[in-house]
Amino acid sequence: EIVLTQSPGTLSLSPGEKATLSCRASQSVSSSFLSWYQQKTGQAPRLLIYATSSRATGIPDRFSGSGSGTDFTLTISRLEPEDFAVYYCQQYDNFVTFGGGTKVEIK
Amino acid sequence: QLQLQGSGSGLVKPSQTLSLTCAVSGGSISTAGYSWGWIRQPPGKGLEWIGYIYHTGSTHYSPSLKSRVIISVDKSKNLFSLSLSSVTAADTAVYYCARVEMVRVYFDYWGQGTPVTVSS
Repeated sequence: EIVLTQSPGTLSLSPGEKATLSCRASQSVSSSFLSWYQQKTGQAPRLLIYATSSRATGIPDRFSGSGSGTDFTLTISRLEPEDFAVYYCQQYDNFVTFGGGTKVEIK
Repeated sequence: QLQLQGSGSGLVKPSQTLSLTCAVSGGSISTAGYSWGWIRQPPGKGLEWIGYIYHTGSTHYSPSLKSRVIISVDKSKNLFSLSLSSVTAADTAVYYCARVEMVRVYFDYWGQGTPVTVSS
């Protein structure tokens, strides 16, 4: 089973700043099977990115994904107030696993 | 617009069986290319995949929960269900149902979450 490690655990930034979130896999993940989700307090997760870099329907273009092999990145180019949340990466390699999450909080 | 609505017992006693249902509206559970899954989130923790089912009845479970999980589908009612046996306090969580896109295997529509507490 592939383990996903997200860093940092918490990212403290101000609105307008750029956020860079990391997701590292214990072994190589196909870029077709790496996704990112946003979760706000008390809400269900929302799909942001699938297949490493494809934005889901309705997701603004300030969200972008990149990476390959064992290292993947979610970038938020300019943080809006509604972007402060917890972000999870997820992979599929016969089994589904999620990373532990990165909390993006207001500095 | 596809919607998923989870429901079920919010309080389960230790050693008993947790049972949840997810009703799908705005689309057919038999749509090709999609499975229907369950994910849980213990209080203050991250997401854990439980398993998913295709409308044909084919299932795929997390290795860590496989011995205790059954996911079933009722196409006539457009819903799917989760059964988790021999529960302990460690099974206390919010349980989410979600649609699984099966080409890239990601969860694109989620239910609102059903909180379940295991306690005597």
